[in-house]
Amino acid sequence: EPEVTQTPSHQVTQMGQEVILRCVPISNHLYFYWYRQILGQKVEFLVSFYNNEISEKSEIFDDQFSVERPDGSNFTLKIRSTKLEDSAMYFCASKRGPTNEKLFFGSGTQLSVL
Amino acid sequence: GENVEQHPSTLSVQEGDSAVIKCTYSDSASNYFPWYKQELGKRPQLIIDIRSNVGEKKDQRIAVTLNKTAKHFSLHITETQPEDSAVYFCAAASGGSYIPTFGRGTSLIVHP
Repeated sequence: EPEVTQTPSHQVTQMGQEVILRCVPISNHLYFYWYRQILGQKVEFLVSFYNNEISEKSEIFDDQFSVERPDGSNFTLKIRSTKLEDSAMYFCASKRGPTNEKLFFGSGTQLSVL
Repeated sequence: GENVEQHPSTLSVQEGDSAVIKCTYSDSASNYFPWYKQELGKRPQLIIDIRSNVGEKKDQRIAVTLNKTAKHFSLHITETQPEDSAVYFCAAASGGSYIPTFGRGTSLIVHP
């Protein structure tokens, strides 16, 4: 079965630094998502992306966050100036279309902000 | 927005027992309810889902039930096996965006 791939699996950064988390969605999928999970807490929706623009975003997704599809395969999440509370597991997900509800998740990037 | 509550946070059972995980949701417009299983160090994977036009769905040893009036839904695993040990997440989504809102997760431990 095709998979969503994420890199790196672990990222350690200093507070205030910029980080870019990378994802390669499944090739024929058109809808892309970022979720995060702080240790012991819920999986939280951050942003959805379709047709090269953000379609929905949550309150968590403030001006420090941005997403981009720089080419035909990658989908990135940038955190401009990381804070301690950004430490979490970040999951990328994709799905084929709006009526195909099954979300395929990547294996996640564990971000640690020191 | 949607709020999904999930209980229990941890569930420990003996192999062969049944396990039940319960979730409630707040948005009456939600009509799609997936369940994801996440094994240690692996990605969440969809194991079963149910839509609001049905009350129950089964797939071998797992079943989901939905009570729209009460806004709750449950996952039932029968004849549990050690390989069922994982974190299980319920979620709810409404038509249109179908962006799931997740519960906090239940860590299921099946003792051999």
